[in-house]
Amino acid sequence: GAGVSQSPSNKVTEKGKDVELRCDPISGHTALYWYRQSLGQGLEFLIYFQGNSAPDKSGLPSDRFSAERTGGSVSTLTIQRTQQEDSAVYLCASSFRTEETDTQYFGPGTRLTVL
Amino acid sequence: ILNVEQSPQSLHVQEGDSTNFTCSFPSSNFYALHWYRWETAKSPEALFVMTLNGDEKKKGRISATLNTKEGYSYLYIKGSQPEDSATYLCASLGARVNYGQNFVFGPGTRLSVLP
Repeated sequence: GAGVSQSPSNKVTEKGKDVELRCDPISGHTALYWYRQSLGQGLEFLIYFQGNSAPDKSGLPSDRFSAERTGGSVSTLTIQRTQQEDSAVYLCASSFRTEETDTQYFGPGTRLTVL
Repeated sequence: ILNVEQSPQSLHVQEGDSTNFTCSFPSSNFYALHWYRWETAKSPEALFVMTLNGDEKKKGRISATLNTKEGYSYLYIKGSQPEDSATYLCASLGARVNYGQNFVFGPGTRLSVLP
């Protein structure tokens, strides 16, 4: 079965441009997460989707960041007016949430470079 | 917001050596502790999920223990091999009030196993 996929794998953009990052979770997984890892830092939680519930956006660093999840499957993370500090690896993960474990399956990431 | 710490930040060992590293997390509001392995150019891969104090999990040469009362987990690798070289991440999941802010990754321990 297919794992989590992300596209593009690499994105280089100019400061001020908008970018969209895509995540295809594992089929049947109800939960989807976005994280980013800046150089030398740990994984930083961005946003979490669970089923039809309102997303937990508490990790989004600014209002330039937004995310959608359509039809309970594919998700798009949008960064508007990109800044150099947005440069990072953006990881998506999905899980089939249970009460005991939220083991997350990660995609390969999108490396974003803002010039 | 939970604060999850890992030590050491990086570690170099010779092939065949056994090694261990630490994840510390707030013992209050604890729900689960996850370990992931993140190899360069790959996606983070789940190793263990532990929930109970005294839990010990094992996968091949890798094992982990959990102490929820004092808030730490150890990851052990017996007879390290070059293919064990990776960043080992732990993540603490707290009670599910505000999910995003309660699932926090540590900064990771970068392990290099020299042949």
